[in-house]
Amino acid sequence: ETGVTQTPRHLVMGMTNKKSLKCEQHLGHNAMYWYKQSAKKPLELMFVYSLEERVENNSVPSRFSPECPNSSHLFLHLHTLQPEDSALYLCASSFKTGGGEKLFFGSGTQLSVL
Amino acid sequence: AQTVTQSQPEMSVQEAETVTLSCTYDTSESDYYLFWYKQPPSRQMILVIRQEAYKQQNATENRFSVNFQKAAKSFSLKISDSQLGDAAMYFCAYGKTSYDKVIFGPGTSLSVIP
Repeated sequence: ETGVTQTPRHLVMGMTNKKSLKCEQHLGHNAMYWYKQSAKKPLELMFVYSLEERVENNSVPSRFSPECPNSSHLFLHLHTLQPEDSALYLCASSFKTGGGEKLFFGSGTQLSVL
Repeated sequence: AQTVTQSQPEMSVQEAETVTLSCTYDTSESDYYLFWYKQPPSRQMILVIRQEAYKQQNATENRFSVNFQKAAKSFSLKISDSQLGDAAMYFCAYGKTSYDKVIFGPGTSLSVIP
């Protein structure tokens, strides 16, 4: 276990649904991340939060809406998704932001959009 | 722009043997970090090894070691005495010190044959 917990583990949703992914870390870290992992593609960074403030938004469509209410919790709110959004969504945390930081990952939410 | 390339989509190794996974990267920076992450079927990615570019000595972690060739921009991972639990996706990653994010390669799927 890495100390980062993601729920749900699997999610199937229609294109008109609204759902949320949850991530929680018990490591006392100050930075949290959302990554998208699609088949045959490198991990794509979506959002970075540092001390609850969003510091990076990697040109992600507005149908993905992140929320970081405190340094231990991170949400990804989903609405009107497209089938191409089907992927594994990984949450990660680190002590602080920075390219040299060790990332601690959750087990991901496997999302299927029908 | 920084890129990370892993030219071997799939590799296999006999149990107890040694295998080397390749990684090359492109950067104009002199100060950066390189990583190898392992993603087993459980999907939870964990850090295997981390190398600081200014350190000439190759990093090692038990059965895992790297061959860091800074001039050639090469960062290969050697796994000695391979075990069944080493079967996983392995991702090479790059992080620039002043950046908030880590860039991942496309991954190499390693199978271990009993």
